[in-house]
Amino acid sequence: QKEVEQNSGPLSVPEGAIASLNCTYSDRGSQSFFWYRQYSGKSPELIMFIYSNGDKEDGRFTAQLNKASQYVSLLIRDSQPSDSATYLCKMGNQFYFGTGTSLTVIP
Amino acid sequence: DTGVSQNPRHKITKRGQNVTFRCDPISEHNRLYWYRQTLGQGPEFLTYFQNEAQLEKSRLLSDRFSAERPKGSFSTLEIQRTEQGDSAMYLCASRPTKGLAANTGELFFGEGSRLTVL
Repeated sequence: QKEVEQNSGPLSVPEGAIASLNCTYSDRGSQSFFWYRQYSGKSPELIMFIYSNGDKEDGRFTAQLNKASQYVSLLIRDSQPSDSATYLCKMGNQFYFGTGTSLTVIP
Repeated sequence: DTGVSQNPRHKITKRGQNVTFRCDPISEHNRLYWYRQTLGQGPEFLTYFQNEAQLEKSRLLSDRFSAERPKGSFSTLEIQRTEQGDSAMYLCASRPTKGLAANTGELFFGEGSRLTVL
């Protein structure tokens, strides 16, 4: 069983819509979670991290963590074409990334 | 430029040849990671160093792969007797153990070294 599972993509949303990306994890001891964004041909870059149950908002991005259900999600409000990328989740105390979800925002 | 630096950026080689990639982490980042990434997949963990010590190595890392970090600064990843299945992007990342970024656990990635094995 993989440590981190991401919802299968690719995901396409129209510009202005909400994009929802999900990730489940197996290690109940994980305390922190990261969302990285990776543009095509580029390296991953951190966009959000979350430690506590509940929501964490940063601009158009909201990370949601539910430790009881062992999932973490990323919501992107008012999606823009520039959000088109692959989004990767990662547990903070592990080396492994999820397989990534490719998001395309259609103008 | 004080980011993670990787060289070469691109390498084309023939099957059976040896290749070596170099990673220079951000200064004072004592944790260094190597990942491999193929198209459509997330980064696949290869190995991890803290200073010069190689503390973790993926079971996926065959004995054709070896990594070193002799002085706790730059690191090299060598692939011997390359195979076509080794074609991938090899990513290096570093992380500090002090400061805010240490607390968040953020990894700082280089631009990667793309390997093509013919």
